[in-house]
Amino acid sequence: AQKITQTQPGMFVQEKEAVTLDCTYDTSDPSYGLFWYKQPSSGEMIFLIYQGSYDQQNATEGRYSLNFQKARKSANLVISASQLGDSAMYFCAMRERTYNQGGKLIFGQGTELSVKP
Amino acid sequence: GAVVSQHPSWVICKSGTSVKIECRSLDFQATTMFWYRQFPKQSLMLMATSNEGSKATYEQGVEKDKFLINHASLTLSTLTVTSAHPEDSSFYICSASNKSRGTETQYFGPGTRLLVL
Repeated sequence: AQKITQTQPGMFVQEKEAVTLDCTYDTSDPSYGLFWYKQPSSGEMIFLIYQGSYDQQNATEGRYSLNFQKARKSANLVISASQLGDSAMYFCAMRERTYNQGGKLIFGQGTELSVKP
Repeated sequence: GAVVSQHPSWVICKSGTSVKIECRSLDFQATTMFWYRQFPKQSLMLMATSNEGSKATYEQGVEKDKFLINHASLTLSTLTVTSAHPEDSSFYICSASNKSRGTETQYFGPGTRLLVL
């Protein structure tokens, strides 16, 4: 069963506008963490933002914010004031606190974001 | 902080040869490192979890004898692709876990593109 689902293979956004990238997850573990990573065409994975399952407030990091809706099991990434350099693949990932898994991440399929000038 | 390096960034080799890829955490110690494989336009696939001083834990379907992992120190893990074949051509990327602000986050290296002729 797919544990992390990103339903948008590709997204377009106009420069300076905000964009929301969707991510839903499935877990029975009450303790988990949700991550977003950006992968430019160069290939490196850049950590953007983290949300813990027990965090009361939505995480924010500069222009990135995470819209965490626990009951709906969604963790959407919001990028405000898009820039041309935001064009990249974006991956949502989850870490379950399962002892034997050693904190490994489960990744979604990714969303390719293109920012138009 | 939390910089991970990977070497080499590119490697082209003949079929049947072995290739070693190094992953280093530059400014922190990592008891756990992870090795991923990524095909074009696809998500990251976890190959194995590397723990310092012990044997790596491989994901289902990953050949242990084919992909040798050594985590000899708290800052270095190596992946050796033995007797490489064209189907092993891929993008290999490592990550290292670092605790920051009470959260264990995986920081990724820049990746290694392997082409087996």
